[in-house]
Order: sequence, then C-alpha cells, then structure tokens
Amino acid sequence: AIQLTQSPSSLSASVGDRVTITCRASQGISSALAWYQQKPGKPPKLLIYDVSSLESGVPSRFSGSGSGTDFTLTISSLQPEDFAIYYCQQLNSYPLTFGGGTQVEIK
Amino acid sequence: QVQLVQSGAAVKKPGSSVKVSCEPSGGIFSSYVINWVRQAPGQGLEWMGGIIPLFGTAKNAQRFQGRVTITADESTSTVYMELSSLRSEDTAVYYCASLRRILRNFDWQSEAFDIWGQGTMVTVSS
Repeated sequence: AIQLTQSPSSLSASVGDRVTITCRASQGISSALAWYQQKPGKPPKLLIYDVSSLESGVPSRFSGSGSGTDFTLTISSLQPEDFAIYYCQQLNSYPLTFGGGTQVEIK
Repeated sequence: QVQLVQSGAAVKKPGSSVKVSCEPSGGIFSSYVINWVRQAPGQGLEWMGGIIPLFGTAKNAQRFQGRVTITADESTSTVYMELSSLRSEDTAVYYCASLRRILRNFDWQSEAFDIWGQGTMVTVSS
C-alpha cells in the first residue's frame, strides 16, 4: 500500500499567515492527490483534487502543487474559519490511503 | 443538490455485527461509486472499501478482508456496509463518500471523494 506522510502533524499560526503543509508519498502517484479539510464533528470537505485543481466553491487562498511523490497544500492568508485538520489522499492505486493529518491551530 | 444520508448511531457488543446504510438523494444511483471511510476517536481517516452499484462489484481494504461486506440494493437505492466480529477498536465514526471519476483517454481516473455522508457513530462495548 502507498503510504502518505504529512508534515508537520500540527502547527500554530496567526490570522493572515501563509501556511504550507506537505504530503510525501512512498511511491509515485501521478497526479492523483486530493486535499480535505475537516472540522470537529463534521465530515471532511474536499478542497483540492488532481494535485492543484480547486474544488468549486473553495476560496482561492487554497492552492495545491507538487508532482511525483512530493505535494504541498498552501493557504496564502489564513482566515479564522481555516483552523481545522487537513488530510491528503492518494487515488492512484488501491487501497486508497490518507495522510495522518495536520492540525492547524490558532497562535 | 446531491446528499448522502446515513443511518443512525449504533451500540454493539463485541463479536456482533453492524450494518450501516448510505442513501444518495438526487442523481442516478447506478452512476455512483460509494466508498466507506472510518475515523476512530481522535484519529485519522481510514479507507475501508467501495462499490459500484451499476456492476455490484466491490473492493475492500486487505486489513478488513473477511470482516467487511459492502452491498448495493438498487430497489431502494441504498448502499450498505456490514462489519462483523466487532471489537472495541472498531469504535469509530463511519462515513460513506462518493468517488468522483473522470473519463480521460478512454480510461476512468479517480479524482476525489466529493460528497460525504454525515457519519454514523458505531460504539462497540460490552
């Protein structure tokens, strides 16, 4: 199974900060990578698919990049509603796998 | 707007089974690819398996092999996930999610889980 390693596992940031989360795959996954945001008591919400495609309705401050095995989610200017846990997911091969998550907290 | 509506919370004894349902509202049932993901308290997301109702074909994660059964009932437009031989470690929120795919170069490619159910809490306790 393809393993996804996210870093950091948690971070503290202030409103307005630029935040970067990385996701490293144990082998190449082409462009089959998605990012999700999850808030307490809620299901995950799709933010980014195909590495860098922004899901409809998601603010443009979210962006994704990368290729091969190394991928990045960037929030250009952190907003109060962005404090949550973020997960990457690979859809290149089965079993589908998720990263361990990155908790973004208020500094 | 398409939604996935799941059955309610369940409390089960160790060794028993639980069956969770997921009903898409809107859209064409046979066009969905429904997956199941679970999340233990305070933990991350774990893919369990999925099914294409149009073909009735299911794929499960190896670690659940023999314990998880995913089925689709076209007459009621409902997908089910049954987990047997329950143990305390199976206590989790179980989500169904729709896999969005795109036809590219004559081949279906998976994009993401774009629609999620509200989640079903399953507690395993004696």
